[in-house]
Amino acid sequence: NAGVTQTPKFRILKIGQSMTLQCTQDMNHNYMYWYRQDPGMGLKLIYYSVGAGITDKGEVPNGYNVSRSTTEDFPLRLELAAPSQTSVYFCASMRAAVPPGELFFGEGSRLTVL
Amino acid sequence: AQSVTQLGSHVSVSEGALVLLRCNYSSSVPPYLFWYVQYPNQGLQLLLKYTTGATLVKGINGFEAEFKKSETSFHLTKPSAHMSDAAEYFCAVRDDKIIFGKGTRLHILP
Repeated sequence: NAGVTQTPKFRILKIGQSMTLQCTQDMNHNYMYWYRQDPGMGLKLIYYSVGAGITDKGEVPNGYNVSRSTTEDFPLRLELAAPSQTSVYFCASMRAAVPPGELFFGEGSRLTVL
Repeated sequence: AQSVTQLGSHVSVSEGALVLLRCNYSSSVPPYLFWYVQYPNQGLQLLLKYTTGATLVKGINGFEAEFKKSETSFHLTKPSAHMSDAAEYFCAVRDDKIIFGKGTRLHILP
C-alpha cells in the first residue's frame, strides 16, 4: 500500500528554471492538496483539488500551477523558479470532506533554488 | 477567514511531566479541528480530530484535546511526557480549506 508518493525527493534548480513536482495517490481519494513548509511558518496551502478536473487556489498560489486530469495524480508546476520558492513541499490527500477524514501526506520534496 | 494560532513555537517539558500545547482558531462556521505530529524528515501524521459530538477527543500515543467553543480553543494534552514525544506538532482547522498553524516544537528534558 503505497499511499501518497511524491517525486523527486530532492532537487536543486537554478533561478528561472521550471520543473514539476509529481504526486500520486493510490487510495482513490477525491481531495488532494499541495503545501509548502518553511521553518517557523508551518504549512501553507498552495493549491487544492476536490476532484478530477477541479482545482482552486490556496493561501500562497503565486508562482505555481496545478492540474488534476485523473483522480490519482496532482502535479505541481513551478514556472520561472525563484529563491523564495526554496522550501519543502508536501502533497496530501483525503477521502472525504464531510466529515473530514485524515490527511495522508507524502514524504515531502525538498527544493532548493539557487 | 479561518485561521489557527499556536502559542509558543517551542515548548520544553521534563520526561513524565504534563504536556500542554495551545491552539486557538477562528472560523466562520462550526469547525473541524485537527492535531498532527511531524517527526524529523517525515510527513505529518494525524494525532486526533474533532468533527462533532464529544468535545474531549482522544488520539494516539496517549494524547487528547478538548474543543472549547466559548474559548475558540483546541489545546492538546498528555498526562506524562515520554522522550519519544519529541517532535513538531501542528494544529489545523477546516471549513472550506485545511489551514495549519505555525507549529510547536516539543522538547523533552531527561
